[in-house]
Amino acid sequence: SAVISQKPSRDICQRGTSLTIQCQVDSQVTMMFWYRQQPGQSLTLIATANQGSEATYESGFVIDKFPISRPNLTFSTLTVSNMSPEDSSIYLCSVGDRVSEQYFGPGTRLTVT
Amino acid sequence: GNSVTQMEGPVTLSEEAFLTINCTYTATGYPSLFWYVQYPGEGLQLLLKATKADDKGSNKGFEATYRKETTSFHLEKGSVQVSDSAVYFCALSESKGAGNQFYFGTGTSLTVIP
Repeated sequence: SAVISQKPSRDICQRGTSLTIQCQVDSQVTMMFWYRQQPGQSLTLIATANQGSEATYESGFVIDKFPISRPNLTFSTLTVSNMSPEDSSIYLCSVGDRVSEQYFGPGTRLTVT
Repeated sequence: GNSVTQMEGPVTLSEEAFLTINCTYTATGYPSLFWYVQYPGEGLQLLLKATKADDKGSNKGFEATYRKETTSFHLEKGSVQVSDSAVYFCALSESKGAGNQFYFGTGTSLTVIP
């Protein structure tokens, strides 16, 4: 199993600003995933972050809006740029192991005013 | 493509009632199937999983059987408790490169009343 922590756990931000969310894993992992969970909805995959390469973004998400860093095998950041109220969501990072189980961080609850 | 269709909620049950949350899936290959639970204010936790047809996943009194013929993975519990109140997500995963890509259902909110 993997233990994942995220910072901050929650934040309230003003429109037009940016927030960087950190994700730390207690073991080395190849792939890390960033999801968005909008109020009352399911999880939507934003991007997959591999160490040493560019993140792979899903349809509807772009690097300029959600830049991701993956400097090593235990850490990743997601930045939500130029925020608007529509970005208010829970942002989750997760990691998957080779036996197809996925572990989630506790999430970052973002409110944009 | 891959997708998960989950019974819509919210679901409200009395304590000790029987629970079923339906989940069906569409997949191009041979996925693994999961139920995740999200308690209020917390992140997702794996509840149970099944990696091949006819497997039964079980945990904390919950069960789900991987039915390839009906492409289903329904969650059941014989007697729910107030502490089971949470949102339940059905999910499937398929191999993608060195890891797995997950597809989630929309979640079913369960409230158990005493």
